[in-house]
Parts: sequence; structure tokens; C-alpha cells
Amino acid sequence: GENVEQHPSTLSVQEGDSAVIKCTYSDSASNYFPWYKQELGKGPQLIIDIRSNVGEKKDQRIAVTLNKTAKHFSLHITETQPEDSAVYFCAASSPGTASKLTFGTGTRLQVTL
Amino acid sequence: DAGITQSPRHKVTETGTPVTLRCHQTENHRYMYWYRQDPGHGLRLIHYSYGVKDTDKGEVSDGYSVSRSKTEDFLLTLESATSSQTSVYFCAIRDSSNQPQHFGDGTRLSIL
Repeated sequence: GENVEQHPSTLSVQEGDSAVIKCTYSDSASNYFPWYKQELGKGPQLIIDIRSNVGEKKDQRIAVTLNKTAKHFSLHITETQPEDSAVYFCAASSPGTASKLTFGTGTRLQVTL
Repeated sequence: DAGITQSPRHKVTETGTPVTLRCHQTENHRYMYWYRQDPGHGLRLIHYSYGVKDTDKGEVSDGYSVSRSKTEDFLLTLESATSSQTSVYFCAIRDSSNQPQHFGDGTRLSIL
């Protein structure tokens, strides 16, 4: 089955700096890659997603890039703010699997003033 | 927020007792999922449903059963709870094949 690895497990940046979280996947058939943000005591919230027919997608300060050849994808957050502090999860799914998601182990992002 | 309600939000119970967690949605979505979240493991799929009475196993299904008798409700049952099932349980829903999954706020289950 699919295996998703996520790095780093913790990341501390100063407010205004950029943050990058990287994930690799094992199943070359995977074609959908969402990113979730989880705040304390809450469920994961979708922040951005990308499909395998696209190499990059942006939404304001957040962007995701996908390299299908290398089987890795990354989340980029620019101009970080204290409210970006949370745990971020990447995930991958393959077609024909009811969109079952395989998650990475998460990255705790702390944005310091 | 997606209309997902998980109940109870917190539960403490003893080893060997049966436990049922409920996920209720108001979105009329076809797909529903149960995940567990543990430190160092991210979220792992337990069971999922692709319609009323249609369910299948996920990655960590041993010790769990599910039922879906109505579109809006997806129940997760631990027939005889064990301490290894102490976890935070999340329900997710999805509409069609090109739509993302949306999660509820979880149930924190402690088995002593």
C-alpha cells in the first residue's frame, strides 16, 4: 500500500519568514495530494490540495508543488503569522480507492514573534 | 464548517466494555470515513463507507466494526475495548470522487 513520509516533524520560524514542509509518497498511481491544518482540540482542516495533472497551486500565502517523477510534494507558507502555528499533515490517495487517504505523520509549525 | 457532529466528544471507559462512537452528517454526502490519530502515526483509516450498508476495511480495522443504516449516520463500535484503542477518533465525509474529505472535531477515547 501507499506510504507517505513527512519532514520535518517540528519547525520553528520567525514571523514573516517562509516555512516549507516536504512529503514523499511511494505509490506512483497516487494522483491526489491534500494538505490539512490541525489546531489544538480540532479536526484537520483542508487548506490546499493538488492533483497529479498540475505541478503547482497557490492560494494567497500558501502554495503546493508536486514532482511526480521524484514522488514528492511540498507545502510553502510565505510571510508566516502567529495564527499559522498548528500541526500540518500531508496526504495522498490513488484512483479507484474511494479516495482513501494515507497521511504523513505531521509537522508541528511554531511561528514566533 | 462541514456539517459533521461526532459524539461523544470525550469518553473514558474500562477494558473489555463495548463502545460505540457516532458520526452524524447533515451534508447528504455519500462517503464517510473513520480514522484514529496517535502520536507518531498521523491519521490512519479504520473503516469507510461508500453508501448505506456499504462498508469496507481500512488500514487498522482489527477490533473495530462499523454500521451505516442511514446516509447521515456512521457508527464505529469497539466490541471489547482494549487499552491499545485509546486514541482520538475522527470522522470524515466526502461528496463525490473529485471532492476533498472534511473532518469532524473528533472523539477522545480513553480505555483504562
